[in-house]
Amino acid sequence: KQEVTQIPAALSVPEGENLVLNCSFTDSAIYNLQWFRQDPGKGLTSLLLIQSSQREQTSGRLNASLDKSSGRSTLYIAASQPGDSATYLCAVKTSYDKVIFGPGTSLSVIP
Amino acid sequence: SAVISQKPSRDICQRGTSLTIQCQVDSQVTMMFWYRQQPGQSLTLIATANQGSEATYESGFVIDKFPISRPNLTFSTLTVSNMSPEDSSIYLCSVASGAYEQYFGPGTRLTVT
Repeated sequence: KQEVTQIPAALSVPEGENLVLNCSFTDSAIYNLQWFRQDPGKGLTSLLLIQSSQREQTSGRLNASLDKSSGRSTLYIAASQPGDSATYLCAVKTSYDKVIFGPGTSLSVIP
Repeated sequence: SAVISQKPSRDICQRGTSLTIQCQVDSQVTMMFWYRQQPGQSLTLIATANQGSEATYESGFVIDKFPISRPNLTFSTLTVSNMSPEDSSIYLCSVASGAYEQYFGPGTRLTVT
């Protein structure tokens, strides 16, 4: 059974710092891995999608990597800003109709 | 990409009543998904809704409690029946483009008193 974990559960950093969020999954048989952002009480915004055959994806200040063999993904945020404060969720697609979410990392960027 | 809207965006309901949540997608999709996010928790899949067939429910979720309709390829409803305070959650509709990206609606924030 696929399980997804995220470390740390919460993170507080000063503005401008670079940071790394970690996601681990137990079964390497995945279609893709997706990183989402969720603001309090809101829906999910897709940040980056990495297909199982890819190693990384980049969008602006965000870079996500995938190491399928070790069951790990990292989300790197460069030059963090207060507007980056949110919960970041990692999700793995294990089949055509199944997505398993991690518990999330709550990020707070202090001005 | 897909743009998803949900109604209502939030509601406060009395214990024992039912609420129907609507999900509309701007393109035709085969599968639609309903998720629940309890306070402080991550997302849990309730069921998968295919047009023209019964929804497939995940372990711990039953049709009597969460009946789902899927009348066409762009619309679905989720009903939360006989509500209790434990049903207070954000309910999210989602679609996926096959093995690719997953898209989510803005969510419906339900509070049961």
